[in-house]
Amino acid sequence: NAGVTQTPKFQVLKTGQSMTLQCAQDMNHNSMYWYRQDPGMGLRLIYYSASEGTTDKGEVPNGYNVSRLNKREFSLRLESAAPSQTSVYFCASSDIRGTEAFFGQGTRLTVV
Amino acid sequence: GNSVTQMEGPVTLSEEAFLTINCTYTATGYPSLFWYVQYPGEGLQLLLKATKADDKGSNKGFEATYRKETTSFHLEKGSVQVSDSAVYFCALSDGGYQKVTFGTGTKLQVIP
Repeated sequence: NAGVTQTPKFQVLKTGQSMTLQCAQDMNHNSMYWYRQDPGMGLRLIYYSASEGTTDKGEVPNGYNVSRLNKREFSLRLESAAPSQTSVYFCASSDIRGTEAFFGQGTRLTVV
Repeated sequence: GNSVTQMEGPVTLSEEAFLTINCTYTATGYPSLFWYVQYPGEGLQLLLKATKADDKGSNKGFEATYRKETTSFHLEKGSVQVSDSAVYFCALSDGGYQKVTFGTGTKLQVIP
């Protein structure tokens, strides 16, 4: 019963460094999502993938790129990290009807 | 655009107290409404949902009724437990999960 698995759980980067957040789901869901959670701002959608081979921008895509590697995996890349990207990042997936999403445990990223 | 407004927290209650967390929304059309819960160190989990006016969602003793006339979806529980301590998010969807809008979250702390 793994559900949605994110790695790493914690990360500290220096400004300008790059990194990739990994996400995998084992529920055979078509849709996958990346959110960021900031204090007082709820969750904001960064990118989503409605199906394998497609990706679309969400509310706050600037500074990020994504790859839907296959049906199971959806990665988020920061090419040049900035302090404004300090946040908690959540990956989620949902079935084709898209009414309920399952979330990973989150990645706490600090950019110094 | 769509928006969700939740009461600010934190909300601190004694065990067995009655809980209400207010949520109001702005949306065109007829959105689906959700409550998600986030326990410390974890991702979000769907708590309950309602897909049309006057529907009542319920789960684990929590209830919320979709009130179109007041554009509200308030979360209630008759007797809270320490284990209910978490952050609660109200959300709406007007067309698939990629279009979900989250509120800012309300932290609930239940003390013995």
